Amino acid sequence: DTEVTQTPKHLVMGMTNKKSLKCEQHMGHRAMYWYKQKAKKPPELMFVYSYEKLSINESVPSRFSPECPNSSLLNLHLHALQPEDSALYLCASSQEGGGGEGTQYFGPGTRLLVL
Amino acid sequence: GQNIDQPTEMTATEGAIVQINCTYQTSGFNGLFWYQQHAGEAPTFLSYNVLDGLEEKGRFSSFLSRSKGYSYLLLKELQMKDSASYLCAVCDLRNKLVFGAGTILRVKS
Repeated sequence: DTEVTQTPKHLVMGMTNKKSLKCEQHMGHRAMYWYKQKAKKPPELMFVYSYEKLSINESVPSRFSPECPNSSLLNLHLHALQPEDSALYLCASSQEGGGGEGTQYFGPGTRLLVL
Repeated sequence: GQNIDQPTEMTATEGAIVQINCTYQTSGFNGLFWYQQHAGEAPTFLSYNVLDGLEEKGRFSSFLSRSKGYSYLLLKELQMKDSASYLCAVCDLRNKLVFGAGTILRVKS
């Protein structure tokens, strides 16, 4: 099973709203990732969690706040977003370890529109 | 820094063979991945290379030359469903994936 699930599939929010994106995997992976993908662009890494601790933050604005409640779950809390934050937000997970063992498996994404 | 180049678009005919090239310059290298992404969907893993040579997986094969900073993805017996974006991604020493811009492949009948 290489399934990563994400909810919601679509989200429309105003610039003053607070919302959360959720990601779940049951593959026993200990690394989880958030990516942002704009149309016709490749995914851009935002955050990496390793063993439930934040290991990489790619200088993401504080209006994005990640959380890893346990080894299977990853959240992304959104607050005071800007229209330019509209994008597809992808979650991925992998085994901890480099190379092929660390192959990342992606969820279907949440398509976010900020009005 | 990292720099990954791949062609923007390619067109090929159903049943044919197509090769998508990727060149890279990275400060650290821990393998190269190819992903397929259909429009509006998530990337799906296709292949991984860390040693020089060819890895074959059904209709898809991937090649790596570390000394040349070069990889290609070979798709045989093309089908219409292979129309997608193909992403080359290099894994650095922090196990971070850096993606190329992607190659949009259009398969025509």
